[in-house]
Amino acid sequence: AQKITQTQPGMFVQEKEAVTLDCTYDTSDQSYGLFWYKQPSSGEMIFLIYQGSYDEQNATEGRYSLNFQKARKSANLVISASQLGDSAMYFCAMREDSGAGSYQLTFGKGTKLSVIP
Amino acid sequence: GAVVSQHPSWVICKSGTSVKIECRSLDFQATTMFWYRQFPKQSLMLMATSNEGSKATYEQGVEKDKFLINHASLTLSTLTVTSAHPEDSSFYICSASGGQGLPNQPQHFGDGTRLSIL
Repeated sequence: AQKITQTQPGMFVQEKEAVTLDCTYDTSDQSYGLFWYKQPSSGEMIFLIYQGSYDEQNATEGRYSLNFQKARKSANLVISASQLGDSAMYFCAMREDSGAGSYQLTFGKGTKLSVIP
Repeated sequence: GAVVSQHPSWVICKSGTSVKIECRSLDFQATTMFWYRQFPKQSLMLMATSNEGSKATYEQGVEKDKFLINHASLTLSTLTVTSAHPEDSSFYICSASGGQGLPNQPQHFGDGTRLSIL
């Protein structure tokens, strides 16, 4: 079973509008972290935002916010006021205790966001 | 913020050549580094976890003798693709986490290496 599910292979949004990218996860750990990364066509992975499993408030970083619904095991990324430079692949990832002392990241399949002028 | 440098960015070489990719943490000590492989339009797949001073932990299906990992210091891990063949062509990207590698610490990624084997 997939640990991270991103159901939207591609999304379009009008410039200056808000967009929500979906992410659901599956874990039996009590302590885990959820991350969103942006990957432009150039390939680098850019860290956007983090949400811890014990954090009660939704994380926010500038135009990015994470809609964390623990009971539903969802961690959707909301981008407000979309810009053309937001066009990229977006990956949701989870970090849980692998049991070997290191915390591996498991990635979803990604959502390709295209911002339309 | 934390910076991870990966070198080289592009490699094109003949089949049978061994290729070394370096991953350096520039402003923090990385006790653990991770190596990923990414095929076009697909997600990142973890290949191995590299721990400073010990042997790397490889994911199932990853050939240890094909992908040699060395993490000799707290700031450098290397991935060597031995006797590379066209099917090894891919985008390889490393990441590093410092300190205890706790769940709330993001992994910082290098810019990746595009490997093309002719």
